[in-house]
Amino acid sequence: GAGVSQSPRYKVAKRGQDVALRCDPISGHVSLFWYQQALGQGPEFLTYFQNEAQLDKSGLPSDRFFAERPEGSVSTLKIQRTQQEDSAVYLCASSHGQGLSYSNQPQHFGDGTRLSIL
Amino acid sequence: ILNVEQSPQSLHVQEGDSTNFTCSFPSSNFYALHWYRWETAKSPEALFVMTLNGDEKKKGRISATLNTKEGYSYLYIKGSQPEDSATYLCAFNTGGFKTIFGAGTRLFVKA
Repeated sequence: GAGVSQSPRYKVAKRGQDVALRCDPISGHVSLFWYQQALGQGPEFLTYFQNEAQLDKSGLPSDRFFAERPEGSVSTLKIQRTQQEDSAVYLCASSHGQGLSYSNQPQHFGDGTRLSIL
Repeated sequence: ILNVEQSPQSLHVQEGDSTNFTCSFPSSNFYALHWYRWETAKSPEALFVMTLNGDEKKKGRISATLNTKEGYSYLYIKGSQPEDSATYLCAFNTGGFKTIFGAGTRLFVKA
C-alpha cells in the first residue's frame, strides 16, 4: 500500500527481553518520527530522522531505547531489557518536508505497534 | 516545559448536534499547530496544519480557527454524524524537530 506500514501490529514480550519494531515510511518521505503513546495520553515524541541521520533523539526515555534508519527508508526501534513501563503503543510517522520545513507539513502515521511487557 | 492542553477530555453528542473543542498551547515560539483525527483501530489522519494567527481552515463539516497570541485553537464540527466519532488530537511545533501532542478529545456521536 501507499501508507506508512508498521510491524508487528501487536507484540507481547517478557520483562527483560529485547524487542524490535519496524516502520516502513511512505516512499520518498525524508522525515521519519517515532512516538510512544501510553494509555489515555497523546503521542510523545521519541526521535526524528532526516533520511538516515538521526537529528533529534531527545525523547528516548533511556539508553535501552535505540533507533536506526540505515538506508534512509525503513526504520527500526529497538528496546533492550524491556520493562513493564515500556508497555505502550509505538507510532511511526513520515513527512514529505525536511529540516524545519517539515513542521508545517502533515505527518502520515502508521497503525502503530501495541507492545505489552509481562 | 512545553505543554498542550485539550478540553474537554471526552464529549458525547447526538447526531445532528454541532460541537467544538479547544486546544491550548504556549503562545511564545509558535511555528505550527496541527489537528489530527484518530479513529479506533486506524492510524491518525491529518485534518489541518495552521501557521498564521487568525487562520481559519475548513474541510467539509469540520473547521478550525487559530489564535497564536493567546495560544488557543478551536475545532468545530457542524451537524455531527456517527462517523465523526474519534479522538481529535492537536499538536504544537516551535519550529524544531519535536512535535508536542495533547492528550486528545474523545468524541462520541450517538445516532
